[in-house]
Amino acid sequence: DAKTTQPPSMDCAEGRAANLPCNHSTISGNEYVYWYRQIHSQGPQYIIHGLKNNETNEMASLIITEDRKSSTLILPHATLRDTAVYYCIVRVVGQTGANNLFFGTGTRLTVIP
Amino acid sequence: KAGVTQTPRYLIKTRGQQVTLSCSPISGHRSVSWYQQTPGQGLQFLFEYFSETQRNKGNFPGRFSGRQFSNSRSEMNVSTLELGDSALYLCASSLGRNTGELFFGEGSRLTVL
Repeated sequence: DAKTTQPPSMDCAEGRAANLPCNHSTISGNEYVYWYRQIHSQGPQYIIHGLKNNETNEMASLIITEDRKSSTLILPHATLRDTAVYYCIVRVVGQTGANNLFFGTGTRLTVIP
Repeated sequence: KAGVTQTPRYLIKTRGQQVTLSCSPISGHRSVSWYQQTPGQGLQFLFEYFSETQRNKGNFPGRFSGRQFSNSRSEMNVSTLELGDSALYLCASSLGRNTGELFFGEGSRLTVL
């Protein structure tokens, strides 16, 4: 699986957009980008995933660069409840072991009032 | 729709004992994965079950085992507990084996004294 690199921590003002970057320069053509987050003392929560097109759901948007070497998770209007560790993961869908996710250390996002 | 349910939420054991943790997946989900989370190692994959068969296994000793029942409920067992087994054990369910989209429970926090 391709490795991912994320900044260890970020701050964001409440109500502003939070843009969380992820570098995955060795991603292969059939690997998807997944984002999860973990709020303190809770289980990780699936946010979104994509292959090469930008994706949006009720929680966030995922922007993947054209060369697919990096992506950005966007929380459009961050709230205090978005304070969490965010994990960027790359994984091949449909391959045996796709549910074996490597979470890494993630980015600790702190939303400031 | 009920989420993933894990029991017990908290437990304390002593070295040498064994422990069994239970996980009820989301209704209709047939894949159950288990993860261990510690401050030092982060989130690590233990194993995945689908249709009552272990499909994938992480790098953990044989003291860690699991099983899945016909109703997709799963249990994991740790025998001969060591201090280092103190961790948050997370169960995740998924609709299929290889989707990468996991839904996690709140976890079982095990303390080994």
